[in-house]
Amino acid sequence: QKEVEQDPGPLSVPEGAIVSLNCTYSNSAFQYFMWYRQYSRKGPELLMYTYSSGNKEDGRFTAQVDKSSKYISLFIRDSQPSDSATYLCAMKGGSQGNLIFGKGTKLSVKP
Amino acid sequence: DTGVSQNPRHKITKRGQNVTFRCDPISEHNRLYWYRQTLGQGPEFLTYFQNEAQLEKSRLLSDRFSAERPKGSFSTLEIQRTEQGDSAMYLCASSLSWGAGNTIYFGEGSWLTVV
Repeated sequence: QKEVEQDPGPLSVPEGAIVSLNCTYSNSAFQYFMWYRQYSRKGPELLMYTYSSGNKEDGRFTAQVDKSSKYISLFIRDSQPSDSATYLCAMKGGSQGNLIFGKGTKLSVKP
Repeated sequence: DTGVSQNPRHKITKRGQNVTFRCDPISEHNRLYWYRQTLGQGPEFLTYFQNEAQLEKSRLLSDRFSAERPKGSFSTLEIQRTEQGDSAMYLCASSLSWGAGNTIYFGEGSWLTVV
């Protein structure tokens, strides 16, 4: 079992839909959780950063962390064609220097 | 541009040749990371530095790979005797080690194709 599991998709939704992206993990030491967006042949761009459990909202994006279930989510409201990209979840423990990534979910938002 | 800068962006090399990639981190960041990403996969950690000290190396970093950060600023990643399996995007990232230190920013990556 990989430390971080993420459904690679692809996920296709119509413009304006609410998108839900998820990851599960196995290491209970993870405390810091991130979502990155990656366009084709570009580097990952940090979208959301959450420490421990709870919700965080930034514009159309909401990140949720449920440490008891070892489950994290990213919601995108009013999705736009420009949101079409691969979304990567990533996480790390308090003493770790490096991030552990999921495989990424490829999202396509159709106009 | 004050983000993480990587050079070259693309490199095609013949099997057996050596290649070197350079990374310039965000100027005030004391941590610098190298990751590798292949098609359809998330980035995989290779190594990271805090200032000039290399603090952690992944088992993925075989003895053909060497990374340096001689003055705690820019870093180089060298791959010796390249193999076709080394074809990937090599990503550099940087962060602080305190406060918002867990916010890690990536560069645009260096694509390597070994033919």
